[in-house]
Amino acid sequence: EAQVTQNPRYLITVTGKKLTVTCSQNMNHEYMSWYRQDPGLGLRQIYYSMNVEVTDKGDVPEGYKVSRKEKRNFPLILESPSPNQTSLYFCASSLLAGSYEQYFGPGTRLTVT
Amino acid sequence: DAKTTQPNSMESNEEEPVHLPCNHSTISGTDYIHWYRQLPSQGPEYVIHGLTSNVNNRMASLAIAEDRKSSTLILHRATLRDAAVYYCILQGAQKLVFGQGTRLTINP
Repeated sequence: EAQVTQNPRYLITVTGKKLTVTCSQNMNHEYMSWYRQDPGLGLRQIYYSMNVEVTDKGDVPEGYKVSRKEKRNFPLILESPSPNQTSLYFCASSLLAGSYEQYFGPGTRLTVT
Repeated sequence: DAKTTQPNSMESNEEEPVHLPCNHSTISGTDYIHWYRQLPSQGPEYVIHGLTSNVNNRMASLAIAEDRKSSTLILHRATLRDAAVYYCILQGAQKLVFGQGTRLTINP
């Protein structure tokens, strides 16, 4: 089954404790991206990747890092999480950027205390 | 970045057509217009997209204004399962720009 998976689905952590949210897709897609969703603000893009080893900032990249060492994986790294990063995170992938349908993962709800 | 504007909420009745509007007056010539929807507690799912011409698929129709500054998502016969937040998105070569979404309520 074609899908985007994220782990963990739920995470509660403390300020400053490094964490990684994994994202994996099994569709051989080149384009992957991360979003955060906050009440009243909709979905905002954090980072995106056009292909392996190619990443770029979205609209809200501060406090986040990503890497794309393999085509299927696109982890989101919070080196020193802060409470303002409490949010619902979605990973997405598409065959290419532009006119292609994006497939979204089920989401990761992160709480930073 | 080009942005979209949508009504915050809309309401319709089951089995009636629904027209969801979106304004994108600063759209560039290479931006595609995508629509996604998000059901409660789920990730967004693709509905339809287009560039200049109107588009139809099994889920919906997309009507794009001639000047491309606005578009309308049309659900031909709404069902209770269509209750969701609908996002109008401009997709350029690299970045996505989400609107704030329209929360669609369907009355039985």
